[in-house]
Amino acid sequence: EDQVTQSPEALRLQEGESSSLNCSYTVSGLRGLFWYRQDPGKGPEFLFTLYSAGEEKEKERLKATLTKKESFLHITAPKPEDSATYLCAVQLRPGYSGGGADGLTFGKGTHLIIQP
Amino acid sequence: EPEVTQTPSHQVTQMGQEVILRCVPISNHLYFYWYRQILGQKVEFLVSFYNNEISEKSEIFDDQFSVERPDGSNFTLKIRSTKLEDSAMYFCASSGGRGDNQPQHFGDGTRLSIL
Repeated sequence: EDQVTQSPEALRLQEGESSSLNCSYTVSGLRGLFWYRQDPGKGPEFLFTLYSAGEEKEKERLKATLTKKESFLHITAPKPEDSATYLCAVQLRPGYSGGGADGLTFGKGTHLIIQP
Repeated sequence: EPEVTQTPSHQVTQMGQEVILRCVPISNHLYFYWYRQILGQKVEFLVSFYNNEISEKSEIFDDQFSVERPDGSNFTLKIRSTKLEDSAMYFCASSGGRGDNQPQHFGDGTRLSIL
């Protein structure tokens, strides 16, 4: 079964139009939730790690939040250079079934296009 | 800023041949990983490596795969007898540790095409 589900699959926004990307997870023993950005033909680029419900992290136009069931990546007044696929991944605590302590389990990503 | 580098960027191999993908992790990192991404699908964990041995591996990482740190800077993934379904992007990653505030940093990948 899917442990990490991202929505929407694709999102097209006008420059300056704020929105949120969703990542819902169905795992027990969450160690951390990670957001990455992936440009075409490139590897995932680390953005944020969130560890506990209620935690928030910010970087430029991006803010990531975490609850017990999901995480949101809020993008405020986006620019065309924010266009990318945004990936969510979870890491489990050692000893929990469905995964180990090292490997990240990724969602399929949200393909974000910001039109000028 | 330090980065993970991978070579080659694109590898074309005949089915049944052996292939070695190479990675240079960030220099002070201790944990190394391989992931793969089949076209249009999720990034999938293959294996993690620490202190010269495999720390964790997924169901994908079967006997056809092996990893090695042949020297102080390189980390390699070998596929012994490639199959068509091994065609994918292979990403190497490294981290300073396993604990909090030790995120995995990825290279730009090797695109492996099996003919």
